[in-house]
Amino acid sequence: DSGVTQTPKHLITATGQRVTLRCSPRSGDLSVYWYQQSLDQGLQFLIQYYNGEERAKGNILERFSAQQFPDLHSELNLSSLELGDSALYFCASSVGGTSDNEQFFGPGTRLTVL
Amino acid sequence: GQSLEQPSEVTAVEGAIVQINCTYQTSGFYGLSWYQQHDGGAPTFLSYNALDGLEETGRFSSFLSRSDSYGYLLLQELQMKDSASYFCAVGSSGSARQLTFGSGTQLTVLP
Repeated sequence: DSGVTQTPKHLITATGQRVTLRCSPRSGDLSVYWYQQSLDQGLQFLIQYYNGEERAKGNILERFSAQQFPDLHSELNLSSLELGDSALYFCASSVGGTSDNEQFFGPGTRLTVL
Repeated sequence: GQSLEQPSEVTAVEGAIVQINCTYQTSGFYGLSWYQQHDGGAPTFLSYNALDGLEETGRFSSFLSRSDSYGYLLLQELQMKDSASYFCAVGSSGSARQLTFGSGTQLTVLP
């Protein structure tokens, strides 16, 4: 158990819909990262937040957005969903600063878009 | 930008030693990490090299050569439970540190 929690575990929805994925980092970690992993694919970095502020953006679509709240939990919002958005979405956390190389991953949310 | 190359698949038998190579191209390199991921599971951190040389953690060792932009993960005394995907990841320096992951190496350990 990494100490990172993600909800929900599974999500099934239809094209065009909007969903919100939630992540709570490990206690004490200030950085939260979101990754997308499609079938048989590597981890694609989406976005990073550090202590409430956006720190880095990766290959995140305009239909996707995220935020980190004062209690450091984070939400990833996916809208106008398409079939190709079906994937595992991981949240990871780290202390931040110079410790970003070691990230602790949550169990993931498996999103299925029908 | 960053790019990494690692073999897509490796097969070995129980008790053997296997090496998974990773070459990278990146700007502002500050370290090479390795993660393990079992099917459907979360990636878990294995090791990190910031400096050249070998880091050993139990049955796993990781090596880095910054001049060659190359590293490897060495797994010894392979066990069936080592069957998983292994990802190398490079960190880039700057105000926005982030990891770029390779596409992963699927390791299959045979009895």
